[in-house]
Amino acid sequence: SQQGEEDPQALSIQEGENATMNCSYKTSINNLQWYRQNSGRGLVHLILIRSNEREKHSGRLRVTLDTSKKSSSLLITASRAADTASYFCATDDTGRRALTFGSGTRLQVQP
Amino acid sequence: NAGVTQTPKFQVLKTGQSMTLQCAQDMNHEYMSWYRQDPGMGLRLIHYSVGAGITDQGEVPNGYNVSRSTTEDFPLRLLSAAPSQTSVYFCASRAPFPGAYMNTEAFFGQGTRLTVV
Repeated sequence: SQQGEEDPQALSIQEGENATMNCSYKTSINNLQWYRQNSGRGLVHLILIRSNEREKHSGRLRVTLDTSKKSSSLLITASRAADTASYFCATDDTGRRALTFGSGTRLQVQP
Repeated sequence: NAGVTQTPKFQVLKTGQSMTLQCAQDMNHEYMSWYRQDPGMGLRLIHYSVGAGITDQGEVPNGYNVSRSTTEDFPLRLLSAAPSQTSVYFCASRAPFPGAYMNTEAFFGQGTRLTVV
């Protein structure tokens, strides 16, 4: 079974708005990562947050992590049409040396 | 750097045929993994390797074999293709030196789109 479950499954917003995606997971983790996938392409790493961190920023991205609730959120501010893609969270589980991916959120940014 | 290279990009197989999906990385990464992605779903781990000569099973290993004879290559073999193996397959690598797998990002190939008829 997949570790991470994301919601919403799909999100449609207007350019300039903020987009928030949530991820929940089940086990103990070393870190949580977010990836982006453009249609038909491979995944590209966006940001990594360690288990002892609560918030991290990178450009227009803001990630939070709550290990007590086993949840994370990805905020994309001032979205652009080019942000249209699927976004996946992935957990780096303690005791397992491979990433476990969530089911993803499909983001559509309307110009 | 080429990064992670997967071949072929597309493949159609008949039920019962076998084939090997190739994956090569030029970043001297210790860890390599194979995932499959079905429509509208996330990635599910098939097999992974933590170094040359060492492999382990992921969530959905049945019907697939792997080996890791070199650091650079991690081929995935379909033993007897079935329609249920129709999917997009992704290879990924991480960890630039031994023991560095923690808190490192994964680099993905562009995928192999496999159809089994």
